[in-house]
Amino acid sequence: RKEVEQDPGPFNVPEGATVAFNCTYSNSASQSFFWYRQDCRKEPKLLMSVYSSGNEDGRFTAQLNRASQYISLLIRDSKLSDSATYLCVVTSGYSTLTFGKGTMLLVSP
Amino acid sequence: DVKVTQSSRYLVKRTGEKVFLECVQDMDHENMFWYRQDPGLGLRLIYFSYDVKMKEKGDIPEGYSVSREKKERFSLILESASTNQTSMYLCASRVVRDQPQHFGDGTRLSIL
Repeated sequence: RKEVEQDPGPFNVPEGATVAFNCTYSNSASQSFFWYRQDCRKEPKLLMSVYSSGNEDGRFTAQLNRASQYISLLIRDSKLSDSATYLCVVTSGYSTLTFGKGTMLLVSP
Repeated sequence: DVKVTQSSRYLVKRTGEKVFLECVQDMDHENMFWYRQDPGLGLRLIYFSYDVKMKEKGDIPEGYSVSREKKERFSLILESASTNQTSMYLCASRVVRDQPQHFGDGTRLSIL
């Protein structure tokens, strides 16, 4: 099993739709979790950290399920500008950071 | 805002050359990282440094070395560039463990 897995997509959704991505991880000792957004040919940018109790930032909600070892990202009321690749990052131990390969989201008018 | 600056956005070098990629962060972060990103392979960690003069190998260190003489600067060195090192190189830094990383703009390196 790969350390961090994401569905590569693309997820094609219309504007205004709600879309959710999952990211599964294999190391049960993982400690920190993040979602990044990456636009084409640009660097990854931090979207949000993922806390055990779940957290929300505007239209974005992140959740952690330790029992099933996955994190999720929910985007409500999708905008055209949400089109990007979404990367999950899992850290365990001092140096071990593992990036998923990303899920591509395409929001259409 | 955290600022991570990479020395070049685009770079073209020849096979066999020694190549230096520089990264500077202005937030007194302890940890710094070098990644490469290739289509279909995602981000892969080359080296990281958790403090000045400290370094650890990542997943793909072969053909690379690093230098961290000052806290704000982390250099990636391609000892003898080869065509399979053509890639997007990304530098990142973070305050400490368990905090998120912040990335530079990236360097698109082509080895001819």
